[in-house]
Amino acid sequence: NAGVTQTPKFQVLKTGQSMTLQCAQDMNHEYMSWYRQDPGMGLRLIHYSVGAGITDQGEVPNGYNVSRSTTEDFPLRLLSAAPSQTSVYFCASRPGQATEAFFGQGTRLTVV
Amino acid sequence: KQEVTQIPAALSVPEGENLVLNCSFTDSAIYNLQWFRQDPGKGLTSLLLIQSSQREQTSGRLNASLDKSSGRSTLYIAASQPGDSATYLCAVNLRGSTLGRLYFGRGTQLTVWP
Repeated sequence: NAGVTQTPKFQVLKTGQSMTLQCAQDMNHEYMSWYRQDPGMGLRLIHYSVGAGITDQGEVPNGYNVSRSTTEDFPLRLLSAAPSQTSVYFCASRPGQATEAFFGQGTRLTVV
Repeated sequence: KQEVTQIPAALSVPEGENLVLNCSFTDSAIYNLQWFRQDPGKGLTSLLLIQSSQREQTSGRLNASLDKSSGRSTLYIAASQPGDSATYLCAVNLRGSTLGRLYFGRGTQLTVWP
C-alpha cells in the first residue's frame, strides 16, 4: 500500500548541478503533478501530466523538465540548479480531474 | 485567477476545545475542495474531500462544510487533542483550470496544548 513515493527525501546540490527527483505511484492514476512549497508562498504547480506521454507546464515551470513514459512514474529534472530552487517538492496523483488528490512525503532540496 | 485564503493563520488552544478553521475562495466554479493536514517536515495527508454538489463531509472528529455560492468552507474539529497539532491546508479544484492543478491556501497552523 505504497501510494505516492518520492525519492530522495533530502538532497543538497551545488549551483549548476543537475538532478532528477523521482515520483512513483502504484494506484494506476492518470493525473500526476509536481508542486513546490516555499515559506509564505503556499504550494505552486510546476508541471503536470494527464497520462503517459502527455505533460504540460504549470505556474512555475522554468528550470524544470518532466516526462511521463509510464503511468506509474513522473520524474522531475532540474537542468542547472539555482539557489532559487531551494524548496520542498511534492508529487501528487489522482485518478481523474474531479477526484481526491494524494501526495508524496516530499523532497527537501537545498541548492548552495 | 482563483485566490484561496485561510483564516486564522495560526491558532493555539487548550486540549478539549472545539475548533473552526476557515477557508474562502474567489471563484465558485469548482469541482471540489479538499482539506489536508501537514505535520512539520512531512507530506500532505488528505483529511476530507467535498464535491461541489455536497454540503458537508464527516470523518471521525472532523467535519467539513462547503458553501459554494459564498465561496466558503469550514473545517470543524471536535474535542481537540495535542495530536491534532499541525498545519491545515485547504485546496480548491477549479473547473476549467489547468488540468490537475489545485489552488492552495497558505494554511492554519494549529497548536493544541495539554
